[in-house]
Amino acid sequence: DAGITQSPRHKVTETGTPVTLRCHQTENHRYMYWYRQDPGHGLRLIHYSYGVKDTDKGEVSDGYSVSRSKTEDFLLTLESATSSQTSVYFCAISGDRRGEQYFGPGTRLTVT
Amino acid sequence: QQQVKQSPQSLIVQKGGISIINCAYENTAFDYFPWYQQFPGKGPALLIAIRPDVSEKKEGRFTISFNKSAKQFSLHIMDSQPGDSATYFCAARMGSGSRLTFGEGTQLTVNP
Repeated sequence: DAGITQSPRHKVTETGTPVTLRCHQTENHRYMYWYRQDPGHGLRLIHYSYGVKDTDKGEVSDGYSVSRSKTEDFLLTLESATSSQTSVYFCAISGDRRGEQYFGPGTRLTVT
Repeated sequence: QQQVKQSPQSLIVQKGGISIINCAYENTAFDYFPWYQQFPGKGPALLIAIRPDVSEKKEGRFTISFNKSAKQFSLHIMDSQPGDSATYFCAARMGSGSRLTFGEGTQLTVNP
């Protein structure tokens, strides 16, 4: 998986609680992304980062925030989890060869 | 303008047959079109990609056909094998930070 790890791999949480997902890379790639994958919707971009402390919103960013204090780590936070945020979350990275993204193994999040 | 429409949602093919998945886009600013392959429980992995100045690209049994005037591109899997059974996503690159817009995905099943 191109030196990308995600933690946790599975999480069950209750509505209203904050949740933080972590993506860690060992490739020293500049760009990092968070996607969610839901049946019938493919992969939708939540947030992305183009450098340390440089982040921007994707198409489904409401209810999510991100932080990137080090090149290797990109955190996704659900400030107050809702059932609609039950999904599989993927982190991806890319380097100089734009468009070639490498995905992590995913985190399955269930909000009850 | 940002969407990539993919069809069919699911596809069943016999071993040895040809699998064809189609994608269409509207935004003429897209300049890079990758296909990703995803096996159950795994993250998507880059399979093959094409730029719009080329009408076809072949890698082994996988071929992308690109029709710039129709704003369509397709993935052809020749001599389909049960090991090709996976979900396939088309995508298109736009904007800075190598952001990708993904299609909804096609679940391919190749029967033995």
